[in-house]
Amino acid sequence: EAGVAQSPRYKIIEKRQSVAFWCNPISGHATLYWYQQILGQGPKLLIQFQNNGVVDDSQLPKDRFSAERLKGVDSTLKIQPAKLEDSAVYLCASRTYRGAKGTDTQYFGPGTRLTVL
Amino acid sequence: AQSVTQLDSHVSVSEGTPVLLRCNYSSSYSPSLFWYVQHPNKGLQLLLKYTSAATLVKGINGFEAEFKKSETSFHLTKPSAHMSDAAEYFCVVSDGGAQKLVFGQGTRLTINP
Repeated sequence: EAGVAQSPRYKIIEKRQSVAFWCNPISGHATLYWYQQILGQGPKLLIQFQNNGVVDDSQLPKDRFSAERLKGVDSTLKIQPAKLEDSAVYLCASRTYRGAKGTDTQYFGPGTRLTVL
Repeated sequence: AQSVTQLDSHVSVSEGTPVLLRCNYSSSYSPSLFWYVQHPNKGLQLLLKYTSAATLVKGINGFEAEFKKSETSFHLTKPSAHMSDAAEYFCVVSDGGAQKLVFGQGTRLTINP
């Protein structure tokens, strides 16, 4: 079974530039997550999708971050404009959905390491 | 609000000796708890999970964890460390509903030859 795919793996940009990350979840996984992992910290949830609808984006800095999941499959996360503090690894994860009590495993992609200069 | 506290930011052991990584949690619900491992430049991998069944949970690569409600702890152990165990380990709590994961700060495990 193919895992969660992310691209690019690395990105270096200047502050105030724009950047986009792409995620392809495991086939059939209805739930998709984006996390931000700053160096030396644990991942922090940015946004959660159920199919193509947003379930939770309470920690997404909406003035500069946006995300979409068209057709309930692939997803893109965009930052515009980037700030120095956005330097981090951006992780995508997916899982199957088995109702409100589901505790299925979240499977993580390898991440995109963003450096903002 | 749920949270986890990993009591050690760095643990160093010799190859072949036991490993203990400590985690305390705080949750208003009956929690689901997980341990994930992250090797350099690789994605997070699930080691094991507790979902209110047996309190002693066995995971991959010889790791296990014990859920202790009275102590609000979920410590990760392994009887004998291997060089390949060197990595960052995260204790994670879930709200169970939307399965929103809350990660600890991580413990970096170093294995000495």
